[in-house]
Amino acid sequence: QQQVKQSPQSLIVQKGGIPIINCAYENTAFDYFPWYQQFPGKGPALLIAIRPDVSEKKEGRFTISFNKSAKQFSLHIMDSQPGDSATYFCAASRGFGNEKLTFGTGTRLTIIP
Amino acid sequence: DTGVSQNPRHKITKRGQNVTFRCDPISEHNRLYWYRQTLGQGPEFLTYFQNEAQLEKSRLLSDRFSAERPKGSFSTLEIQRTEQGDSAMYLCASSQGGANYGYTFGSGTRLTVV
Repeated sequence: QQQVKQSPQSLIVQKGGIPIINCAYENTAFDYFPWYQQFPGKGPALLIAIRPDVSEKKEGRFTISFNKSAKQFSLHIMDSQPGDSATYFCAASRGFGNEKLTFGTGTRLTIIP
Repeated sequence: DTGVSQNPRHKITKRGQNVTFRCDPISEHNRLYWYRQTLGQGPEFLTYFQNEAQLEKSRLLSDRFSAERPKGSFSTLEIQRTEQGDSAMYLCASSQGGANYGYTFGSGTRLTVV
């Protein structure tokens, strides 16, 4: 049973554009929603995370938008660069991140110059 | 301490053999997690420890899998009688616990069963 659905599977954006990756969750007990970035041969690295008591969080060029009623959240990357080309995973957990993470299936992002 | 360290980075084994992986977490982190990642998929939870106590095991973790964290420091994940379906990247992560602290993942051990 997949509890976190992620789309699109792959995305190609021109440099400077704003890629948007979407996730939807089913379990209303989830209370912590991080995004991870993974480069080939490396483990995932935490980018940014949000709790459901806020609708938006921004860190540098990365923004999470959160819609609690729709059980959806998304990642926006401002002024995207070729170095942002990676696979991005959304995830969710209970216990404000203290418990296990349930990951989406990933989005392979390519930023073309 | 530069991060979570996993060894070996790659392991090729014949079907039926036993393998053991090691994870050294960030020293002040009391929580340690194991995940498995197959190509094109997100990491799947296997098990986690708080200090030396194993708090949860996934139903994905068959009897052939066992994990330990003696003395609450490093952890080992052993797979007995490996099968081709065990081929995957095995990721270890650690966190210091408490609300809103993210995990730090290691670079993983890639297992290939031939």
